[in-house]
Amino acid sequence: DTEVTQTPKHLVMGMTNKKSLKCEQHMGHRAMYWYKQKAKKPPELMFVYSYEKLSINESVPSRFSPECPNSSLLNLHLHALQPEDSALYLCASSQRTRSYEQYFGPGTRLTVT
Amino acid sequence: AQSVAQPEDQVNVAEGNPLTVKCTYSVSGNPYLFWYVQYPNRGLQFLLKYITGDNLVKGSYGFEAEFNKSQTSFHLKKPSALVSDSALYFCAILTGGGNKLTFGTGTQLKVEL
Repeated sequence: DTEVTQTPKHLVMGMTNKKSLKCEQHMGHRAMYWYKQKAKKPPELMFVYSYEKLSINESVPSRFSPECPNSSLLNLHLHALQPEDSALYLCASSQRTRSYEQYFGPGTRLTVT
Repeated sequence: AQSVAQPEDQVNVAEGNPLTVKCTYSVSGNPYLFWYVQYPNRGLQFLLKYITGDNLVKGSYGFEAEFNKSQTSFHLKKPSALVSDSALYFCAILTGGGNKLTFGTGTQLKVEL
Protein backbone atom coordinates (compact mmCIF):
# COMPACT_ATOMS: atom_id res chain seq x y z
CA ASP A 1 0.00 0.00 0.00
CA THR A 2 1.64 3.23 -1.18
CA GLU A 3 -0.70 5.61 0.59
CA VAL A 4 0.05 8.88 2.29
CA THR A 5 -2.94 10.52 3.97
CA GLN A 6 -3.36 14.20 4.76
CA THR A 7 -5.91 16.05 6.87
CA PRO A 8 -7.76 18.27 6.46
CA LYS A 9 -8.44 18.34 2.72
CA HIS A 10 -9.39 22.00 2.86
CA LEU A 11 -8.57 24.69 5.41
CA VAL A 12 -9.59 28.33 5.58
CA MET A 13 -7.89 30.39 8.25
CA GLY A 14 -7.51 34.01 9.21
CA MET A 15 -4.15 35.68 9.57
CA THR A 16 -4.31 35.52 13.37
CA ASN A 17 -5.31 31.85 13.61
CA LYS A 18 -3.22 28.86 14.62
CA LYS A 19 -3.87 25.63 12.77
CA SER A 20 -2.07 22.38 11.98
CA LEU A 21 -1.81 20.14 8.95
CA LYS A 22 -1.35 16.42 9.49
CA CYS A 23 0.28 13.74 7.39
CA GLU A 24 0.48 10.00 8.01
CA GLN A 25 2.09 7.03 6.28
CA HIS A 26 2.29 3.36 7.27
CA MET A 27 4.79 2.16 4.69
CA GLY A 28 7.72 2.12 7.10
CA HIS A 29 9.30 5.06 5.31
CA ARG A 30 11.97 6.93 7.26
CA ALA A 31 11.99 10.15 5.23
CA MET A 32 9.10 12.61 5.11
CA TYR A 33 8.69 15.91 3.30
CA TRP A 34 6.55 19.04 3.15
CA TYR A 35 6.04 20.86 -0.15
CA LYS A 36 4.14 23.99 -1.12
CA GLN A 37 2.51 24.16 -4.54
CA LYS A 38 0.87 27.11 -6.25
CA ALA A 39 -1.60 26.50 -9.08
CA LYS A 40 -0.02 25.13 -12.28
CA LYS A 41 3.46 25.41 -10.72
CA PRO A 42 5.88 22.71 -9.56
CA PRO A 43 6.00 21.77 -5.89
CA GLU A 44 8.57 23.65 -3.82
CA LEU A 45 10.35 21.81 -1.06
CA MET A 46 9.89 23.26 2.44
CA PHE A 47 11.20 20.67 4.92
CA VAL A 48 12.80 17.22 4.96
CA TYR A 49 12.77 14.87 7.93
CA SER A 50 15.07 11.86 7.97
CA TYR A 51 14.70 9.35 10.80
CA GLU A 52 12.45 11.85 12.62
CA LYS A 53 15.10 14.55 12.56
CA LEU A 54 14.85 17.75 10.56
CA SER A 55 17.53 17.54 7.89
CA ILE A 56 16.53 20.30 5.49
CA ASN A 57 14.75 23.61 6.04
CA GLU A 58 14.57 25.55 2.79
CA SER A 59 14.67 28.92 4.56
CA VAL A 60 10.97 28.71 5.31
CA PRO A 61 9.48 31.56 7.40
CA SER A 62 9.06 30.77 11.08
CA ARG A 63 5.28 31.07 10.79
CA PHE A 64 5.55 27.50 9.44
CA SER A 65 6.71 25.04 12.10
CA PRO A 66 7.18 21.36 11.25
CA GLU A 67 7.03 18.51 13.73
CA CYS A 68 7.69 14.78 13.39
CA PRO A 69 6.28 13.07 16.50
CA ASN A 70 7.16 9.58 15.25
CA SER A 71 8.20 7.77 12.09
CA SER A 72 4.64 7.63 10.74
CA LEU A 73 3.43 11.17 11.44
CA LEU A 74 4.36 14.60 10.19
CA ASN A 75 2.69 17.84 11.23
CA LEU A 76 2.94 21.37 9.94
CA HIS A 77 1.92 24.02 12.47
CA LEU A 78 0.70 27.30 11.03
CA HIS A 79 0.57 30.66 12.79
CA ALA A 80 0.10 34.25 11.63
CA LEU A 81 0.04 33.32 7.96
CA GLN A 82 -0.21 35.77 5.09
CA PRO A 83 -2.63 35.61 2.13
CA GLU A 84 0.31 34.73 -0.15
CA ASP A 85 0.70 31.51 1.85
CA SER A 86 -2.52 30.23 0.29
CA ALA A 87 -1.54 27.12 -1.69
CA LEU A 88 -1.75 23.33 -1.87
CA TYR A 89 0.45 21.80 0.83
CA LEU A 90 1.73 18.37 -0.07
CA CYS A 91 3.25 15.78 2.19
CA ALA A 92 5.44 12.99 0.81
CA SER A 93 7.42 10.06 2.13
CA SER A 94 10.15 7.76 0.88
CA GLN A 95 12.01 4.74 2.22
CA ARG A 96 15.08 6.86 2.73
CA THR A 97 16.36 10.02 1.13
CA ARG A 98 18.67 9.82 -1.90
CA SER A 99 17.62 7.53 -4.75
CA TYR A 100 14.26 6.45 -3.44
CA GLU A 101 11.06 7.69 -5.04
CA GLN A 102 8.72 9.83 -3.01
CA TYR A 103 5.04 9.05 -2.55
CA PHE A 104 2.73 12.02 -2.21
CA GLY A 105 -0.46 12.57 -0.31
CA PRO A 106 -3.46 14.32 -1.90
CA GLY A 107 -2.61 17.61 -0.23
CA THR A 108 -4.34 20.22 1.91
CA ARG A 109 -5.80 23.20 0.09
CA LEU A 110 -5.07 26.17 2.36
CA THR A 111 -6.74 29.56 2.00
CA VAL A 112 -5.59 32.43 4.20
CA THR A 113 -8.09 35.29 4.53
CA ALA B 1 23.61 23.51 -10.23
CA GLN B 2 21.58 20.44 -11.01
CA SER B 3 18.30 21.10 -12.74
CA VAL B 4 15.73 19.81 -15.21
CA ALA B 5 13.92 21.69 -17.94
CA GLN B 6 10.64 20.92 -19.64
CA PRO B 7 10.60 22.96 -22.85
CA GLU B 8 6.89 22.53 -23.61
CA ASP B 9 4.16 24.06 -21.47
CA GLN B 10 1.52 22.01 -23.26
CA VAL B 11 1.42 18.96 -25.50
CA ASN B 12 -1.67 17.98 -27.48
CA VAL B 13 -2.10 14.51 -28.95
CA ALA B 14 -4.94 12.48 -30.39
CA GLU B 15 -6.10 9.38 -28.55
CA GLY B 16 -4.37 6.29 -29.87
CA ASN B 17 -1.32 8.21 -31.10
CA PRO B 18 2.07 7.95 -29.42
CA LEU B 19 2.95 10.69 -26.97
CA THR B 20 6.24 12.22 -25.87
CA VAL B 21 6.78 14.68 -23.04
CA LYS B 22 10.26 16.16 -23.12
CA CYS B 23 12.73 16.69 -20.29
CA THR B 24 16.38 17.70 -20.36
CA TYR B 25 18.74 17.78 -17.41
CA SER B 26 21.86 19.51 -16.26
CA VAL B 27 24.02 17.75 -13.69
CA SER B 28 27.57 17.18 -12.61
CA GLY B 29 27.95 13.46 -12.14
CA ASN B 30 25.29 10.80 -12.55
CA PRO B 31 21.68 11.98 -12.54
CA TYR B 32 18.82 10.48 -10.58
CA LEU B 33 15.73 11.32 -12.64
CA PHE B 34 12.01 10.88 -12.01
CA TRP B 35 8.66 11.42 -13.71
CA TYR B 36 5.49 12.29 -11.80
CA VAL B 37 1.92 12.95 -12.94
CA GLN B 38 -0.63 15.20 -11.25
CA TYR B 39 -4.36 15.09 -11.90
CA PRO B 40 -6.49 18.15 -11.03
CA ASN B 41 -6.72 18.84 -7.29
CA ARG B 42 -4.66 15.76 -6.49
CA GLY B 43 -1.18 14.98 -5.23
CA LEU B 44 1.62 13.77 -7.44
CA GLN B 45 1.82 10.13 -8.53
CA PHE B 46 5.17 8.47 -9.17
CA LEU B 47 5.50 7.05 -12.70
CA LEU B 48 9.12 5.92 -13.05
CA LYS B 49 12.74 6.64 -12.25
CA TYR B 50 16.21 6.29 -13.70
CA ILE B 51 19.06 5.62 -11.30
CA THR B 52 21.39 3.42 -13.29
CA GLY B 53 21.23 0.51 -15.71
CA ASP B 54 19.09 0.20 -18.84
CA ASN B 55 18.45 3.43 -20.66
CA LEU B 56 14.82 2.46 -21.31
CA VAL B 57 12.85 2.57 -18.09
CA LYS B 58 9.35 1.14 -17.87
CA GLY B 59 6.86 2.58 -15.40
CA SER B 60 3.23 2.67 -14.37
CA TYR B 61 0.18 2.92 -16.66
CA GLY B 62 2.14 1.94 -19.79
CA PHE B 63 4.58 4.84 -19.61
CA GLU B 64 8.27 4.53 -20.31
CA ALA B 65 11.18 6.92 -20.48
CA GLU B 66 14.42 6.89 -22.38
CA PHE B 67 17.59 8.13 -20.71
CA ASN B 68 19.99 9.64 -23.25
CA LYS B 69 23.32 10.70 -21.77
CA SER B 70 24.72 12.29 -24.93
CA GLN B 71 21.64 14.50 -25.33
CA THR B 72 21.12 14.92 -21.56
CA SER B 73 17.48 14.02 -22.01
CA PHE B 74 14.92 11.87 -20.20
CA HIS B 75 11.79 11.99 -22.35
CA LEU B 76 8.56 10.35 -21.22
CA LYS B 77 6.76 8.22 -23.80
CA LYS B 78 3.68 6.12 -24.29
CA PRO B 79 2.90 4.13 -27.46
CA SER B 80 -0.84 4.85 -27.45
CA ALA B 81 -2.33 7.80 -25.57
CA LEU B 82 -5.62 7.69 -23.69
CA VAL B 83 -7.94 10.57 -22.87
CA SER B 84 -7.44 9.64 -19.22
CA ASP B 85 -3.71 10.43 -19.58
CA SER B 86 -4.60 14.12 -19.74
CA ALA B 87 -2.84 15.65 -16.73
CA LEU B 88 0.14 17.73 -15.63
CA TYR B 89 3.47 15.94 -15.91
CA PHE B 90 6.60 16.83 -13.96
CA CYS B 91 10.16 15.72 -14.55
CA ALA B 92 12.36 15.85 -11.44
CA ILE B 93 15.97 15.39 -10.40
CA LEU B 94 17.56 14.62 -7.06
CA THR B 95 19.78 17.46 -5.88
CA GLY B 96 21.30 18.66 -2.64
CA GLY B 97 23.44 15.57 -2.23
CA GLY B 98 20.46 13.38 -3.00
CA ASN B 99 18.13 14.74 -0.35
CA LYS B 100 16.09 17.16 -2.45
CA LEU B 101 13.75 16.57 -5.37
CA THR B 102 13.80 19.52 -7.78
CA PHE B 103 11.00 19.66 -10.32
CA GLY B 104 10.76 21.01 -13.83
CA THR B 105 8.11 23.58 -14.65
CA GLY B 106 5.63 20.93 -15.77
CA THR B 107 3.97 20.01 -19.08
CA GLN B 108 0.21 19.93 -19.47
CA LEU B 109 -0.76 16.94 -21.61
CA LYS B 110 -4.09 17.06 -23.38
CA VAL B 111 -5.30 13.93 -25.16
CA GLU B 112 -8.28 14.47 -27.42
CA LEU B 113 -10.68 12.06 -29.10
